[in-house]
Amino acid sequence: QVTLKESGPGILQPSQTLSLTCTFSGFSLSTYGMGVGWIRQPSGKGLEWLANIWWDDDKYYNPSLKNRLTISKDTSNNQAFLKITNVDTADTATYYCARINSGLFDYWGQGVMVTVSS
Amino acid sequence: DIQMTQSPASLSASLGETVTIQCRASEDIYSGLAWYQQKPGKSPQLLIYGASSLQDGVPSRFSGSGSGTQYSLKISSMQTEDEGVYFCQQGLKYPWTFGGGTKLELK
Repeated sequence: QVTLKESGPGILQPSQTLSLTCTFSGFSLSTYGMGVGWIRQPSGKGLEWLANIWWDDDKYYNPSLKNRLTISKDTSNNQAFLKITNVDTADTATYYCARINSGLFDYWGQGVMVTVSS
Repeated sequence: DIQMTQSPASLSASLGETVTIQCRASEDIYSGLAWYQQKPGKSPQLLIYGASSLQDGVPSRFSGSGSGTQYSLKISSMQTEDEGVYFCQQGLKYPWTFGGGTKLELK
């Protein structure tokens, strides 16, 4: 059974760095072809893909967030991470991690709400 | 970037009615399209992959079709539990992109 769960700070101030953790089970990021992605969704709005990391440590980022994103993984502990630097109120959203399967997300976490506020 | 445009943005349907949602890509995505359903307060759930393949456990009233730049999701007989927001997504080229969503309500 594949499960994913996100965790994060809940609330942070503008200019701080947002650190998110995705803890998963039922698959391994050391297995050929596996990947984990991060997606966010402001309240009442659509989905925005942020970043992917693959079993071979290949990484892809949404260029709209320029150089603010860093994705990484800890294969031995079945975790993936996302950092977003210099946050502002526009980064307020629910953040999801999801397993990647052939160009799509077949299992999603429950999401973690992040609020950026001074 | 590949732009994904969904239509309509919202619609309401009666029980048993057939519903069709459209998704247009700004370039050919060679059937590299997925559809998701999101219910209020929940995470998106995969319905369709490869434009027309039904994810395990998804009711057979859902179907996907299309090719090139034009795709559609059909619900053959609207049920109460089908209310929610539907998103299309392309994973052919980076950055992966989603459509803006279609809100489906029961009439």
